[in-house]
Amino acid sequence: GESVGLHLPTLSVQEGDNSIINCAYSNSASDYFIWYKQESGKGPQFIIDIRSNMDKRQGQRVTVLLNKTVKHLSLQIAATQPGDSAVYFCAENSGGYQKVTFGTGTKLQVIP
Amino acid sequence: SAVISQKPSRDICQRGTSLTIQCQVDSQVTMMFWYRQQPGQSLTLIATANQGSEATYESGFVIDKFPISRPNLTFSTLTVSNMSPEDSSIYLCSVEVRDRTDTQYFGPGTRLTVL
Repeated sequence: GESVGLHLPTLSVQEGDNSIINCAYSNSASDYFIWYKQESGKGPQFIIDIRSNMDKRQGQRVTVLLNKTVKHLSLQIAATQPGDSAVYFCAENSGGYQKVTFGTGTKLQVIP
Repeated sequence: SAVISQKPSRDICQRGTSLTIQCQVDSQVTMMFWYRQQPGQSLTLIATANQGSEATYESGFVIDKFPISRPNLTFSTLTVSNMSPEDSSIYLCSVEVRDRTDTQYFGPGTRLTVL
C-alpha cells in the first residue's frame, strides 16, 4: 500500500535514545498547537497539545516546547521505542473555530 | 475522545465516476471536517461540515466537486465527483471534541485510487 511518509524528511534514531522532531509554524496569531502521530494505514492520532501562553508541556514520555519568538515547535520523545516509528505532524489553530493547519510532517524511523 | 469510522476503507475507481465516503462518530459532535492527504504529503482541509448548514469550503475546493452532507450530529458524507487520477488520495474525516484537549480526532481514512 502507499506510504504517507514517501516524500517526507526522515529522522532515524536508535532504540532507547531520545528523539527531537522540529516544526516551524507560519501564523504568529496561532494560539494552540498540536502534535499528531500517523502510523502507516491509519489516521493521525493526537499526542500532545500546548497553548500559546505556555512554553513547555510534558506528557508520558513526550515533551512539547514552544518558542513563539521564532515560531518554532518541537516534540521530544524520551527512550524512543520501535512503536514510535511513524510520521509526526505539528498542527496549529489559526482560525476562530478549531480550524487546524498541518505542517509538512517528519518520518521517524527507530533502529532496533 | 471519539471513535470514528469511515466507509469504504479503500476503493479503486474509474475516471469520470463518483464515490461517496461515509464518516460515523460514536457521539454527537458539532463540527466535522474533511481532509485530503495526497501520497507523501501532509493533510489539507477540504471543508468544515456543521449540522443544519451548508459546508464551508477551503480555497481550492468547490461544492460541485466535493459535495458534503451532514444530516445529523453523528454522520457525514463526502462525495468525490467526476473523478480523475489526480483525486487519488487518502480522505480523512475528523471531529472536534470539546474535552480537556479541545482538539480534533481523526478517522482511519479512505484510500482512493482513480484509474
